[in-house]
Amino acid sequence: DAGVTQSPTHLIKTRGQHVTLRCSPISGHKSVSWYQQVLGQGPQFIFQYYEKEERGRGNFPDRFSARQFPNYSSELNVNALLLGDSALYLCASILRPGPQNTEAFFGQGTRLTVV
Amino acid sequence: AQSVTQPDIHITVSEGASLELRCNYSYGATPYLFWYVQSPGQGLQLLLKYFSGDTLVQGIKGFEAEFKRSQSSFNLRKPSVHWSDAAEYFCAVGERAAGNKLTFGGGTRVLVKP
Repeated sequence: DAGVTQSPTHLIKTRGQHVTLRCSPISGHKSVSWYQQVLGQGPQFIFQYYEKEERGRGNFPDRFSARQFPNYSSELNVNALLLGDSALYLCASILRPGPQNTEAFFGQGTRLTVV
Repeated sequence: AQSVTQPDIHITVSEGASLELRCNYSYGATPYLFWYVQSPGQGLQLLLKYFSGDTLVQGIKGFEAEFKRSQSSFNLRKPSVHWSDAAEYFCAVGERAAGNKLTFGGGTRVLVKP
C-alpha cells in the first residue's frame, strides 16, 4: 500500500508568487492535515480537512488556503509568497478525526524555498 | 492553549549508551501524547503514543516513554543507542476534542558518537 504522497518534493519560487502543494492520503483515510516546519523548529498546524470540509485552522494568514477533493486528496495554496514562507510543508493522513485522536501518518514533505 | 517544551536542543550520546529525551506539556485535560522521529530531509515517523491506561508505553525501535501526570512530562528513553538513532525527535500533544491537531515541541537533535 502506498503511504502519504506529496508533490512536488522541492520547489523554488519568487517572492509574490503563488504556490500549490499536493497531498494524497493513505488509501481509506479521509482526513488530511497540513503542517509548516521552518528550519530548526517543530511543525506547526495549518489546516485539517475531513470529508472536504475544514475542521481546524492554525494561526496562519489568509494567504494560506486549502481544499480537499472527493477522492480525499488535498491541495495547500499560498498566495503572495514571502521569504518567511520558506519551509518544509508536511501533510498528515488519518483515518478520521475523532475523540480517540488516531495516529497521523506523515508524508515526506515539500521543501519550499522562496527567493 | 496547549504547548510542548523540549528543554534540550541537542544531545550527544555514545553508541551503546542510554538515552533520555525530556518533554513537558501544558494541556487542560488528560492529553494524547506522541513521540515522532525525523531523519534529515524526511517526514515524521511515529515512535509511540499514549492515550490512556498504562503510563509506560513501548514503541518501535526499542524506545519507550513514561507519562507522569504530576510532572506534566512524557520523557522518551532507549537503553542502548545505535548509530542509526541519530535524528531529530519531536514530542507532540494532540487535542482530544478537535480530531488530530498536533502541537509539537521544538525538537531535540540527537548525535551519536562511535
